[in-house]
Amino acid sequence: EDQVTQSPEALRLQEGESSSLNCSYTVSGLRGLFWYRQDPGKGPEFLFTLYSAGEEKEKERLKATLTKKESFLHITAPKPEDSATYLCAVSASGGSYIPTFGRGTSLIVHP
Amino acid sequence: DVKVTQSSRYLVKRTGEKVFLECVQDMDHENMFWYRQDPGLGLRLIYFSYDVKMKEKGDIPEGYSVSREKKERFSLILESASTNQTSMYLCASSFSNNEQFFGPGTRLTVL
Repeated sequence: EDQVTQSPEALRLQEGESSSLNCSYTVSGLRGLFWYRQDPGKGPEFLFTLYSAGEEKEKERLKATLTKKESFLHITAPKPEDSATYLCAVSASGGSYIPTFGRGTSLIVHP
Repeated sequence: DVKVTQSSRYLVKRTGEKVFLECVQDMDHENMFWYRQDPGLGLRLIYFSYDVKMKEKGDIPEGYSVSREKKERFSLILESASTNQTSMYLCASSFSNNEQFFGPGTRLTVL
């Protein structure tokens, strides 16, 4: 059974204080690992897809990296507007089109 | 720009009422999903559809049914609403097992 574990559950940062969110996964053949951002009361917004170990993707202050067992979402010099819940999900290459989601990391950035 | 829309942002219904939630996507995706999201429980899959008139049960299908008569539209039906179905309902679509695109969500309250 595919599993995704995100840590920490919650993270509080001061503006400008860089940090990383972790997504550990077990999957029977990784097709893709996805990161989403979710603001309170809204649907998740797609950020990145990573396909293979060593791959990196960047968008503004966010950088996602991937190894064979985990992915990190690095947040450099965060701003209050980066406050959100960040979700990680994996899809397997075995044929199911149903991804497995983690519970998310709730990030609060204080000014 | 990709778009998933849901028929209502907020909905208040009475116990025992039949409730219809509609989702429309404009990306010609074959896969569509209905999730509910509750604090501390993450995203839970209710139903999945991989083609017109095709559906699969997710993790929590009890008390729900779905309809997909057209490729772009996926409806979630609560046959007889109960208070424990008060939740945030999220629709998503995807192509193959690539990233999902989510709608804005429907906050349903059952009194």
